[in-house]
Amino acid sequence: EAGVTQFPSHSVIEKGQTVTLRCDPISGHDNLYWYRRVMGKEIKFLLHFVKESKQDESGMPNNRFLAERTGGTYSTLKVQPAELEDSGVYFCASSPRADSTLTGELFFGEGSRLTVL
Amino acid sequence: QKEVEQDPGPLSVPEGAIVSLNCTYSNSAFQYFMWYRQYSRKGPELLMYTYSSGNKEDGRFTAQVDKSSKYISLFIRDSQPSDSATYLCALIQGAQKLVFGQGTRLTINP
Repeated sequence: EAGVTQFPSHSVIEKGQTVTLRCDPISGHDNLYWYRRVMGKEIKFLLHFVKESKQDESGMPNNRFLAERTGGTYSTLKVQPAELEDSGVYFCASSPRADSTLTGELFFGEGSRLTVL
Repeated sequence: QKEVEQDPGPLSVPEGAIVSLNCTYSNSAFQYFMWYRQYSRKGPELLMYTYSSGNKEDGRFTAQVDKSSKYISLFIRDSQPSDSATYLCALIQGAQKLVFGQGTRLTINP
């Protein structure tokens, strides 16, 4: 069974440009999460989808970030326009149920590394 | 003040040593405590989780929670070079949101 896949693995863009990160969750997982780790900091929660609906977007840093999950399958995270402080690793995770985090059934992708110059 | 404090290390020990990794947290409402392991250029993977205070053992790994002190620990016995990774403590906020520590980079030297 395929795990959580993320694309691209690494993106280098200039400040002011737009980048779109994609996450394909494990098939059948209704819950999809985005997390981010900026340099020297801890991994932080960005948002949580249940199917196509945003359940919790309290971690989104500002309105330059837009997450979508059309059809409840894959998700995209767009950063527009990108700023230097957006550099980091963006992780996607998926789980079958809302309480799966409590039972350890939360699976992370390998992350998309974003470098903003 | 960060919700979860974890010494980022790096920590380097010889093969076979006992490793102790620790985190402290500030919010006494946390009930679930997780340890994730992250290899270089990979995503975090769950190593162990515990509910409330006490110990939990899984092979060479033991997770310990002391809620009175707001202190969680992970012990690795008979450490192996393959245990070299970043170890992240994480607490669960609500039912779904993980609050991570900064992670401790561990190297086991053969």
